[in-house]
Amino acid sequence: DSGVTQTPKHLITATGQRVTLRCSPRSGDLSVYWYQQSLDQGLQFLIQYYNGEERAKGNILERFSAQQFPDLHSELNLSSLELGDSALYFCASSVNPGWDVWPGLGYGYTFGSGTRLTVV
Amino acid sequence: GIQVEQSPPDLILQEGANSTLRCNFSDSVNNLQWFHQNPWGQLINLFYIPSGTKQNGRLSATTVATERYSLLYISSSQTTDSGVYFCAVRSANQAGTALIFGKGTTLSVSS
Repeated sequence: DSGVTQTPKHLITATGQRVTLRCSPRSGDLSVYWYQQSLDQGLQFLIQYYNGEERAKGNILERFSAQQFPDLHSELNLSSLELGDSALYFCASSVNPGWDVWPGLGYGYTFGSGTRLTVV
Repeated sequence: GIQVEQSPPDLILQEGANSTLRCNFSDSVNNLQWFHQNPWGQLINLFYIPSGTKQNGRLSATTVATERYSLLYISSSQTTDSGVYFCAVRSANQAGTALIFGKGTTLSVSS
């Protein structure tokens, strides 16, 4: 268990629908990142939050939105779903805003196991 | 933004063979990491290596930052090495803290 919890693990939904993916960060982590992994695009950075505020934005579609709540969990909302949105959605969390690595002490971030979204 | 290219895209090996995976990046980086994604989708950290050489068992990695590439070596490959290997970087010259991933090398090791 990495400490980052993503729910649900699997989700099947129809085109045009709206879904919400949830990420609970590792205890003590303030930053949450969302990534989308699709077959043709690889792992793409979507958005980052740090202590409730949006920190960085990547290739996130306008149909997608995210937020980080006071308890630091984050939700990624995907609307008007298309077949091409089928992908594995990863959440990662870290203590600091960056991808800290502390030599000899380990990584300051960790990835969750992902939510596999299938749009039919 | 920074571009990350990995080669080869696919690699098929017999157990016991050695391999070299390459990652080229288009800008200076202050963070470079190698990941292994296992067949169950889990991303596993292998190396943090913005420069220099590191070894961990049968795996080793070298980054030549001045020439903007990194290599991951897998020796005496085993079937459990199968999966996708990603290189990910953070640009030293651009704002933001996103870790940008390459498209990966898919490794299949057969017994």
